[in-house]
Amino acid sequence: KAGVTQTPRYLIKTRGQQVTLSCSPISGHRSVSWYQQTPGQGLQFLFEYFSETQRNKGNFPGRFSGRQFSNSRSEMNVSTLELGDSALYLCASSSVLAGENEQFFGPGTRLTVL
Amino acid sequence: QKEVEQNSGPLSVPEGAIASLNCTYSDRGSQSFFWYRQYSGKSPELIMFIYSNGDKEDGRFTAQLNKASQYVSLLIRDSQPSDSATYLCAVNTGRRALTFGSGTRLQVQP
Repeated sequence: KAGVTQTPRYLIKTRGQQVTLSCSPISGHRSVSWYQQTPGQGLQFLFEYFSETQRNKGNFPGRFSGRQFSNSRSEMNVSTLELGDSALYLCASSSVLAGENEQFFGPGTRLTVL
Repeated sequence: QKEVEQNSGPLSVPEGAIASLNCTYSDRGSQSFFWYRQYSGKSPELIMFIYSNGDKEDGRFTAQLNKASQYVSLLIRDSQPSDSATYLCAVNTGRRALTFGSGTRLQVQP
């Protein structure tokens, strides 16, 4: 079974621009969660989508948004980029069968904001 | 107080020894606990999960959970140099929102 895929793998943007990152979950997984990883703050939860609906959101500003499509693929968008948005953005997919809470991460998108 | 706490390390053990990694959490309602391994420059890889009090073994790995003490640990037996990585403890705080510790860097000396 193929794992979680994320595109692009690397991205360089300048302050003020916006960016869209994409995530395809493991086949059959319907829940997609997004995380930000930085050296200073570690891994932090951004939001989680299931059946095209955002079910949970972390403590990030409204510049961070996302969506999920009917095929469970997800995108996240960051508008008006700031230097502090430079990070590894990770997507994780999860089955929602009863008792299954494990999340499997994709390779991540490394975003550099100049 | 951080919600999930880990000693940042590095924890250095000789090859073949048992590595013991510890994690405490603050939310008593937490139900699911995970250990991820992350190599430098790579994404986290799930290696163990535990939902009930007690021990859970998988190969060289054993996860231990004590909900009364709000404590999770990971034991790695017969440590190998390839086990050298950062180990992240994660707690599911609801709706698949994982809260991570800052990670413990493990170094296995050949």
